[in-house]
Amino acid sequence: GQQVMQIPQYQHVQEGEDFTTYCNSSTTLSNIQWYKQRPGGHPVFLIQLVKSGEVKKQKRLTFQFGEAKKNSSLHITATQTTDVGTYFCAVNTGNQFYFGTGTSLTVIP
Amino acid sequence: DAMVIQNPRYQVTQFGKPVTLSCSQTLNHNVMYWYQQKSSQAPKLLFHYYDKDFNNEADTPDNFQSRRPNTSFCFLDIRSPGLGDAAMYLCATSRGLGVETQYFGPGTRLLVL
Repeated sequence: GQQVMQIPQYQHVQEGEDFTTYCNSSTTLSNIQWYKQRPGGHPVFLIQLVKSGEVKKQKRLTFQFGEAKKNSSLHITATQTTDVGTYFCAVNTGNQFYFGTGTSLTVIP
Repeated sequence: DAMVIQNPRYQVTQFGKPVTLSCSQTLNHNVMYWYQQKSSQAPKLLFHYYDKDFNNEADTPDNFQSRRPNTSFCFLDIRSPGLGDAAMYLCATSRGLGVETQYFGPGTRLLVL
């Protein structure tokens, strides 16, 4: 089946540093969603990108969909301890819904 | 206000003993999903219902079954749990299929002894 790879798998940053996770697909994606899962919690929807080259911002978070719609990124500026968790990209084709492999973020105070 | 509710939050069962996990929603969404999530892995979709239409993922074991008696409730039945079925089971809903947000419940953590 289709796979969406995320890199890095793990990331440790000092509080205040920036963080980026990348989501890569071998096939063209119709859309990309991003979810955050806190330790011990459940995935929570963050954003959805549909258009080629689309960029959306939520406060310190910037989401981007690649021009070829095969990759996406999530960038966090000046991380805080509340940003700790695993960030998943996800693809919803209507018939299929699958998560990327996830990036686990640790923020060191 | 709870929107997707899962009970129980923790479930202990014995090897081979059938177990049922439940999910309810107050969103009146058409679609309900069941995911299995093992430690340090991404959630894996087992199946979903669009209204009463059941859609099984190709690689979901026959050991896993589901029922959706009405819009609000959906059940996950594990007929003969094995040690490898110990995981977090997440229920989610969405208004429709396609480009739709999924709303997740808190999950039920299953332990198989």
